[in-house]
Amino acid sequence: GDSVTQMEGPVTLSEEAFLTINCTYTATGYPSLFWYVQYPGEGLQLLLKATKADDKGSNKGFEATYRKETTSFHLEKGSVQVSDSAVYFCALIGGGGADGLTFGKGTHLIIQP
Amino acid sequence: DTAVSQTPKYLVTQMGNDKSIKCEQNLGHDTMYWYKQDSKKFLKIMFSYNNKELIINETVPNRFSPKSPDKAHLNLHINSLELGDSAVYFCASSRTGGVGYGYTFGSGTRLTVV
Repeated sequence: GDSVTQMEGPVTLSEEAFLTINCTYTATGYPSLFWYVQYPGEGLQLLLKATKADDKGSNKGFEATYRKETTSFHLEKGSVQVSDSAVYFCALIGGGGADGLTFGKGTHLIIQP
Repeated sequence: DTAVSQTPKYLVTQMGNDKSIKCEQNLGHDTMYWYKQDSKKFLKIMFSYNNKELIINETVPNRFSPKSPDKAHLNLHINSLELGDSAVYFCASSRTGGVGYGYTFGSGTRLTVV
């Protein structure tokens, strides 16, 4: 079945540092790829998405590019802020959506001032 | 306007009790889902309904029973609650299949069984 693998944290960075959270996937066909963010005590919010190879999703300074050749969708941000501290989930929907949204295990990001 | 709303937000109950969590969406989506998030933050799909019909039913105990009275509502009923049911339960909705759009999630219900 479909699966998503992402680096597990916690990842601790200083404010204004460069962020990369790695995500790779296994899926049949051409999945849609997503990054969700969960702030402390809250639900999941869609951060960005990409639906086909070489698409770049971006939002709030975060970016991720759909790389079919490496089956990856790494999340990046050039300069993180304390307010970016949260848990980040990479996810995919494959095969027409019949199996639902499959999540990675989440990466806890901690930004220190 | 809350897009996907769940009630209650917190639920503390004793082992053996029966409880329900309600979910409503006002987005006009035709597919709704229940996810369980465990203490390690891992998210796993439990059920999915499309236009009131069950389309995903993962391996969960049959003490969990979803009910969809219409396509805007998907409730989760849990019988004979056990300690291991303690988790955060998220409701979500999407256009059919969610392909290309993703899901919209509610804010979660934190269930604690004591």
